[in-house]
Amino acid sequence: SYELTQPPSVSVSPGQTARITCSGDALPKQYAYWYQQKPGQAPILVIYKDNERPSGIPERFSGSSSGTTVTLTISGVQAEDEADYYCQSADSSGTYQVFGGGTKLTVL
Amino acid sequence: QVQLVQSGAEVKKPGASVKVSCKASGYTFASYDISWVRQASGQGLEWLGWTNNENTGYAQRFQGRVTMTVNTSRSTVYMELSTLRSDDTAVYYCARANPQSGGGFDFWGQGTLVTVSP
Repeated sequence: SYELTQPPSVSVSPGQTARITCSGDALPKQYAYWYQQKPGQAPILVIYKDNERPSGIPERFSGSSSGTTVTLTISGVQAEDEADYYCQSADSSGTYQVFGGGTKLTVL
Repeated sequence: QVQLVQSGAEVKKPGASVKVSCKASGYTFASYDISWVRQASGQGLEWLGWTNNENTGYAQRFQGRVTMTVNTSRSTVYMELSTLRSDDTAVYYCARANPQSGGGFDFWGQGTLVTVSP
C-alpha cells in the first residue's frame, strides 16, 4: 500500500525556520495537503494543493514541492506553532487518501 | 458557519458494530464529499474512506468492514464499522473535502471516541 514518509520530530528555536518534509512516490502526480494538530483538538488544514494557504492561516506557513518530496516551511516559528503536523495525499490512481506518520514540531 | 457535529462516545465489545453520525450545517450539504479519519491514542491519522450522496470509496484495509451512508434530508453522514477489535479503539473524525481547496479537508467534526473493550 502507498506510504508517505515524514520525520518523527523537528526542533527549532523561536524565530527560526522549521522545515518538515514528506516523501512519496506519487507526489509528482498528486497534490499534497498539510494539517496542524494540537493535543486534544481536531486537525486544521494549513496548506492545500502543495502551496496554497487557506484564509486565516498565517503567512509564515508555506508549502513547496520538488519531485517526490513536499515541504512545509514555517518561517519565524512561534511558540504557538508547537504541534503535530501531518501531510496527506493520494496514491497514483487518486483512489486512496493517505496520511504521513506525522511530525512533532518542538519549539525550544 | 460550517459545522460538523458528531455523535457521542461509544463503548463496544469485540465483534460488535458501531455507527457514528456526522451532522453537517452551514453549507450546501450535497456539494461536498465527507471523509472519515481515525486516530488511536498517541498515534497518527488514518483515512477510512469517503462518501457523498452518490458514491463511496473505502481504504483497502477497511473494505468489507466499513459502510458509509448519507441521509440527505438530515444532512447527516454515517460511518459503520463492524467486527470491532481492540485496535479499532480510536477517535473517529468526519471531515469535509472542499473542491476549492483541491479536496483538502477544510472542516472537521469534533471527533467521536470509540472504545472496544471486553
